[in-house]
Amino acid sequence: QVHLQESGPGLVKASETLSLTCTVSGASVSSGDYYWAWIRQPPGRGLEWIGSMYYSGNTFHNPSLKSRLTISLDTSKNQFSLKLSSVTAADTAVYYCATQDIAAAARHFQYWGRGTLVTVSS
Amino acid sequence: SYELTQPPSVSVSPGQTASITCSGDKLENKYTCWYHQKPGQSPVLVIYHDNKRPSGIPERFSGSNSGNTATLTISGTQAMDDGDYYCQTWDSSTVIIGGGTKLTVL
Repeated sequence: QVHLQESGPGLVKASETLSLTCTVSGASVSSGDYYWAWIRQPPGRGLEWIGSMYYSGNTFHNPSLKSRLTISLDTSKNQFSLKLSSVTAADTAVYYCATQDIAAAARHFQYWGRGTLVTVSS
Repeated sequence: SYELTQPPSVSVSPGQTASITCSGDKLENKYTCWYHQKPGQSPVLVIYHDNKRPSGIPERFSGSNSGNTATLTISGTQAMDDGDYYCQTWDSSTVIIGGGTKLTVL
């Protein structure tokens, strides 16, 4: 069983950079068994995929966020991270980290963290 | 860009069958999966590869995908099945997620 835990500031000022970390247990981010993904959900709204990264460095991004987005892996700590720059109130959401299937054309999310609420303040 | 369309809401009586649809252009040519989310909780994968159930998901959950529509079917719906359901697929190296359907078990 894979366990994921998000961590990071719950409050970020507008125009600054949102930074979150996902700590993984039960799997290795360098194993190649999964893509490592971020998904978010604004309050009262639906799910929005942010991006995914493989241990090899291969990365997929939501086109609408790509210019502001950095996803990285820290194999020494078995973590992966999200950085979203120039945030606005529209980036206020619960942010989830998750594992993602590696098979082409499938790409479902198998394991999810509990999520962390990030509020962007003006 | 590719889109998935779900009805905003579906209602079902306990013990009856609930069907939630997800529509997209030539969706049958792609794999579809489904998530169930209850308020304040993380989504849970209930169907992947159109019709496969992950370990621990009850047999009353099933899926199909034909033409432009994927369908999640819940047979013998229970009160615990209420909540939001999201379909998802993969197109042009992008994850596509439907807008979600709120299932109410009356």
